[in-house]
Amino acid sequence: GQNIDQPTEMTATEGAIVQINCTYQTSGFNGLFWYQQHAGEAPTFLSYNVLDGLEEKGRFSSFLSRSKGYSYLLLKELQMKDSASYLCAVRDNQGGKLIFGQGTELSVKP
Amino acid sequence: SAVISQKPSRDICQRGTSLTIQCQVDSQVTMMFWYRQQPGQSLTLIATANQGSEATYESGFVIDKFPISRPNLTFSTLTVSNMSPEDSSIYLCSARRNDEQYFGPGTRLTVT
Repeated sequence: GQNIDQPTEMTATEGAIVQINCTYQTSGFNGLFWYQQHAGEAPTFLSYNVLDGLEEKGRFSSFLSRSKGYSYLLLKELQMKDSASYLCAVRDNQGGKLIFGQGTELSVKP
Repeated sequence: SAVISQKPSRDICQRGTSLTIQCQVDSQVTMMFWYRQQPGQSLTLIATANQGSEATYESGFVIDKFPISRPNLTFSTLTVSNMSPEDSSIYLCSARRNDEQYFGPGTRLTVT
């Protein structure tokens, strides 16, 4: 079976750092993705991890531990425009499809 | 990255009718997918669009209801057949290039 868990919502302050966690239990694994989705818009690709460790891209970093079935997305120097839904998705190893978690709604307050 | 366009961007349809959504990618991709996103929900995979053969459907989705075509490496269509209000949703095309996967802007469908 497939199970991907992330918090439903989080609140953080402008300028701060926030970590959004994602745990997964899937029958196969071929990479973990993070997407950002603003209301009424399509998901935007943020990161892809297939090996353990931290990947950094500007203000955003993503971490993966395959043995623990765990990932997090780290957002630094938060800006108001970072208020959005953040989606964690796992790619399976049969056909390469992405299975999504329920998403985390992040609200950045002044 | 891949640039993906979808047509129409939105539509309001009467129950019992069908709507075909088109998806065009700017260059060749290895895989194309169709997702549905209901209001306030995450993305649910409908099917993988296979070039030159029948699509691979996920549990709960059938070809008679959601026929899919993919005649070449950059284009796919999804038809929502015999629509009911429960089909009101956003339908998103997605394409994989190498290891990354991108999404189109979506088609917002309302069935009355």
